[in-house]
Amino acid sequence: SQQGEEDPQALSIQEGENATMNCSYKTSINNLQWYRQNSGRGLVHLILIRSNEREKHSGRLRVTLDTSKKSSSLLITASRAADTASYFCATDSWEIQGAQKLVFGQGTRLTINP
Amino acid sequence: GAVVSQHPSRVICKSGTSVKIECRSLDFQATTMFWYRQFPKQSLMLMATSNEGSKATYEQGVEKDKFLINHASLTLSTLTVTSAHPEDSSFYICSARDAALPSNQPQHFGDGTRLSIL
Repeated sequence: SQQGEEDPQALSIQEGENATMNCSYKTSINNLQWYRQNSGRGLVHLILIRSNEREKHSGRLRVTLDTSKKSSSLLITASRAADTASYFCATDSWEIQGAQKLVFGQGTRLTINP
Repeated sequence: GAVVSQHPSRVICKSGTSVKIECRSLDFQATTMFWYRQFPKQSLMLMATSNEGSKATYEQGVEKDKFLINHASLTLSTLTVTSAHPEDSSFYICSARDAALPSNQPQHFGDGTRLSIL
């Protein structure tokens, strides 16, 4: 089952602007990850934030995590046309000892207009 | 970086055909691989967890006799869609976890297989 809810479902902005996507989840997590998917392709891992972390940066990406609200946000600064893609949050859940199982949110389709 | 190769990238076949999709970890060993299905404009749904040398674990609602998974080596898992029907048309994506890294590290995804059943 999908436990992640993302908003907005679709976001269209002008190149150079910042894009913010939000993700909410329902259960306790070990970590939360953000992935990007270009149309018709597989997923590319962007950033992982652990449950004891509140903020993390990677280049133009900034991720926050609020475990009390069970929510996370992904900020892409100074957006570029190449950032056009779908973005998914994913939380882990432990079903089999030693194995990690990801549960994905519904995704945000981001369009960057030149 | 870690690479997962998925083959074929696209399959078009007639109803009733069985289709095999391969997922290979190219530069790392993967004791665990995952198979996902994604319908247009939707998220990824986990179908099953593939374990090297043992039976796969299927998610609720996924028919194990319909979607056969074999993980015979540390670098290869296969998903066979048996007697495929038009409703099986979808985008199938595999991922793999590097067995040498802690289990909470990100998974590495293949580029997906677009399956179209006529």
